[in-house]
Amino acid sequence: GAVVSQHPSWVICKSGTSVKIECRSLDFQATTMFWYRQFPKQSLMLMATSNEGSKATYEQGVEKDKFLINHASLTLSTLTVTSAHPEDSSFYICSASTGTGTYNEQFFGPGTRLTVL
Amino acid sequence: AQKITQTQPGMFVQEKEAVTLDCTYDTSDPSYGLFWYKQPSSGEMIFLIYQGSYDQQNATEGRYSLNFQKARKSANLVISASQLGDSAMYFCAMREPGTGQLTFGSGTQLTVLP
Repeated sequence: GAVVSQHPSWVICKSGTSVKIECRSLDFQATTMFWYRQFPKQSLMLMATSNEGSKATYEQGVEKDKFLINHASLTLSTLTVTSAHPEDSSFYICSASTGTGTYNEQFFGPGTRLTVL
Repeated sequence: AQKITQTQPGMFVQEKEAVTLDCTYDTSDPSYGLFWYKQPSSGEMIFLIYQGSYDQQNATEGRYSLNFQKARKSANLVISASQLGDSAMYFCAMREPGTGQLTFGSGTQLTVLP
């Protein structure tokens, strides 16, 4: 199956700093990538949808100036958490897809655990 | 708007027994896709099985089968011959046509007992 990587797998940072998370599709071209956030023992919540070469579409309640998403190529999307605070500590998961049709499968990355001190 | 409901926060099953995890959904779209994912404690999302709204037969993948009842809008996951390694969180999800977005249920924590 298709492989999606995320880097880093975990990160600890101080409050007020910015953290960049990379999501790469290793063996296919992902026209669409999705970013999710998951708090402990909760479900995945979609943060934003990004299509290659265009601006990301953010879900209601997600601050686009705080969570910067860039999808510069068909194999790479990045999520930057700017001026991180302890409440941003969470598990961030990306997924990549070859399309937006009902039958296009999403392939998930392994996730990134962010801890903000 | 789409909605996925998983009413079982936690389930226990004896090793080698079968278990059914419930999932109901709500959508006005005639075309949709239903997915089940397994999330072990490591956090990775593992795809288990897919059912398309127009599929005539229930999906099966090894020990996993999906009991798809379209009229009742349910898509229950059946795991046969449970193994200790099946202990994990299980999520039901629906794919929204057009955007490709997945809407997830709240999940069911399955524990397989030896």
